[in-house]
Amino acid sequence: SQQGEEDPQALSIQEGENATMNCSYKTSINNLQWYRQNSGRGLVHLILIRSNEREKHSGRLRVTLDTSKKSSSLLITASRAADTASYFCATEKSGGYQKVTFGTGTKLQVIP
Amino acid sequence: EAQVTQNPRYLITVTGKKLTVTCSQNMNHEYMSWYRQDPGLGLRQIYYSMNVEVTDKGDVPEGYKVSRKEKRNFPLILESPSPNQTSLYFCASSRERGARDTQYFGPGTRLTVL
Repeated sequence: SQQGEEDPQALSIQEGENATMNCSYKTSINNLQWYRQNSGRGLVHLILIRSNEREKHSGRLRVTLDTSKKSSSLLITASRAADTASYFCATEKSGGYQKVTFGTGTKLQVIP
Repeated sequence: EAQVTQNPRYLITVTGKKLTVTCSQNMNHEYMSWYRQDPGLGLRQIYYSMNVEVTDKGDVPEGYKVSRKEKRNFPLILESPSPNQTSLYFCASSRERGARDTQYFGPGTRLTVL
């Protein structure tokens, strides 16, 4: 079964609004990453947060990690039409595992 | 330019006809992976490799083989493709294993098995 599940599955907002998407996972992790995918293309790395971090920022992106709830959120502030894409979280389980597990993704549409 | 290349980008084949999808990276990365992407299921890891001659199964390895004879190349082999392997395939590489570092993705290979 999937380690990560994103919520919501789809999100439609107006340009300038903030977009928040969530990722929940089932087991303890070492690291969690967020990726963006534009329409069937290769994924692009956005941000990595480690299990001992609670929050990270990168430009208009803010990621939080709550290991007690096994969840992470990605906030995109002041969204732009170019942010329209699918967003995925990816996790690596703790305990020496090498596998990477992706969630099912959130499809974001930003309306100009 | 740092990149991951995959070939072919599109492939239509028939059940049982062996095929290979090539993947190459020019960043001297040790960790490479293959993923398949299906609607509603996200990306699922097929196989990964931590270095030359070191490979291991991901979550959906059945029906696939890989090899890592050189650091830059990580081909995906379907010895007897079946229609349920119709999917979008991505190769990725990173400096470190697992999700400890940025994974760089190739452009994808869209495979249809009739």
